[in-house]
Amino acid sequence: DVKVTQSSRYLVKRTGEKVFLECVQDMDHENMFWYRQDPGLGLRLIYFSYDVKMKEKGDIPEGYSVSREKKERFSLILESASTNQTSMYLCASPPGTGEKDGTDTQYFGPGTRLTVL
Amino acid sequence: QKEVEQNSGPLSVPEGAIASLNCTYSDRGSQSFFWYRQYSGKSPELIMSIYSNGDKEDGRFTAQLNKASQYVSLLIRDSQPSDSATYLCAVATMEYGNKLVFGAGTILRVKS
Repeated sequence: DVKVTQSSRYLVKRTGEKVFLECVQDMDHENMFWYRQDPGLGLRLIYFSYDVKMKEKGDIPEGYSVSREKKERFSLILESASTNQTSMYLCASPPGTGEKDGTDTQYFGPGTRLTVL
Repeated sequence: QKEVEQNSGPLSVPEGAIASLNCTYSDRGSQSFFWYRQYSGKSPELIMSIYSNGDKEDGRFTAQLNKASQYVSLLIRDSQPSDSATYLCAVATMEYGNKLVFGAGTILRVKS
């Protein structure tokens, strides 16, 4: 079974703090994704990575950065947390890039509910 | 801007009935289609994937894809109260390297 884990289920931070959200997958996947989910807006892609040290901006990268120093770990960084970054953050990873063999299926971690006060 | 549209609901059905969830997408190049179920406070869980036109059945779930009309649907037969959740439609295209675009989700309520 694919296993995607996230460092914290719940996190409370103050405005201006630097926040690190960690995601680890144990299946040697190349692709990893960070989303945030807000009521009525669905899941929106923040950043993704196809390989170590590689990153691509998603639809809403402003206010975020990422780091992928090792294949299994993809970190999301909030350089200076703001209240509008209060959200559920979800990490996902598919086994591969194949379209029709099921290896493009994304499996999600348990999520981190971040509150910025 | 690639878009995936879903009726937000809530969709209410009686226990034992068929629940029909619909999704339309804007990108004709889309090749992979997924349905996720999400319980309150939990992360999305994959329940169906479909890649070709037609129907795909898995237990009580049937996914239907019509690429010409750009819609994908999910039927849940013999709906149970445990099916009450938010159902997310997601679409991937080669252009985006299999990045998924999600709909906002449809809330399903199954009443016993």
